[in-house]
Formats: sequence, structure tokens, C-alpha cells
Amino acid sequence: GAVVSQHPSRVICKSGTSVKIECRSLDFQATTMFWYRQFPKKSLMLMATSNEGSKATYEQGVEKDKFLINHASLTLSTLTVTSAHPEDSSFYICSAPLREGSYEQYFGPGTRLTVT
Amino acid sequence: KQEVTQIPAALSVPEGENLVLNCSFTDSAIYNLQWFRQDPGKGLTSLLLIQSSQREQTSGRLNASLDKSSGRSTLYIAASQPGDSATYLCAVEDNYGQNFVFGPGTRLSVLP
Repeated sequence: GAVVSQHPSRVICKSGTSVKIECRSLDFQATTMFWYRQFPKKSLMLMATSNEGSKATYEQGVEKDKFLINHASLTLSTLTVTSAHPEDSSFYICSAPLREGSYEQYFGPGTRLTVT
Repeated sequence: KQEVTQIPAALSVPEGENLVLNCSFTDSAIYNLQWFRQDPGKGLTSLLLIQSSQREQTSGRLNASLDKSSGRSTLYIAASQPGDSATYLCAVEDNYGQNFVFGPGTRLSVLP
């Protein structure tokens, strides 16, 4: 089956630094990818839709200047958390539909970000 | 290894009907269970989150129940509307880390 990878799986960084998280579709092309975050004991929340060749679409309340998304190719989307703060500590997960407009989505394993 | 199944795979109902979607999981050692809605080409929208210690959660016309010991959850949708048409997924998060296992989804069509 289709596989989506994320790198790194865990990262610890200091306040004020930036962290880049990669999401790759390993055996299929994805014109669209989705980024989610989850706080402890909270639901998985959609942050943004990453679109290859165009700007990402952010959900209400998500700061686009803080969470930079770049869909560099048909197999790679990156999420950069800029000027990280402790409250950005969370679990970030990406997904990609197998085909554009498809219900069938594949999820990455997630990245645990801890900002100290 | 946790496995999540959903029944039925697809469901078509006339507007106004009440309906139940089912989710089953094999390992009861879960941290929580979530129900999501997915529209074509869109990301998931979280509907309800049930912690492992809870038995149900309600939001508007939606009610989700959890029976952890039997490995089951149901999503009840009251007075269905055409706008409810979407794929509904359940996902369990395990106790050992934030490892999500998603079910295959139930594709719901509500006919006007």
C-alpha cells in the first residue's frame, strides 16, 4: 500500500529557533497534502492544506507566518515552525490522498515537537 | 497490532433518517477514540473525541459511544441532512505513544 513518511519523528528545540518537518509520499504523487496537529488529550486538528505549485490554505486560527508550508514537489511537503515557543510543542502529522479528490488518505507516522 | 474496522463501508439513506455507524478495534488498550468527517479532496474534520475513561460524547446531532472492553464505538447521527454526506472515519490512539490507527471509513450519502 501507499506509504507516507515524516522526518524527523521526534525533535527537541529551543525557544526562538525554527524547525522543519518533512512529509513525503514514497510511492505515489500527491498534489495535495494535509497537516494536522494534536495537543495532549485533544482531537487531531487540521492546520492547513498544502498544494503543490501554489500557496497553502490555512484553517481559521492558524498563523500562516508561523507555520510555513512549502509543497516543493509532488512527493514532498514541508512544515516549518518558525520562532518556536513552548506552546508550539505538539504532535504534527501529515496525510496525503492517493489521488486528487479521493477519500483514500494515507497518514504519516507523525512528528513529536518539544520546544524548551 | 491494532486493527480498526468500520461497518458498513457505504450507506445511503433518505433525508431525515437517524443512522448509526460502527467502528471496531482489536486492542482495547487505547488512549482515546476519535470520529472524523472527510469530504472529497479535503482534510479530516474532527467531530468527536472520546477519552478511554468516557463512554460517550455528544455534539449537536452527533452522539458517539465507546465500549472499550468490547472494542466498539458507534456514531449516531440524528435527523440526517444532505450536508452530512461524507466519509466518516474513526481512529484510535494507543496508550504507548501518539500512534493513530484509522478505520477504512464509511461513505455516507444522504439523499434529499
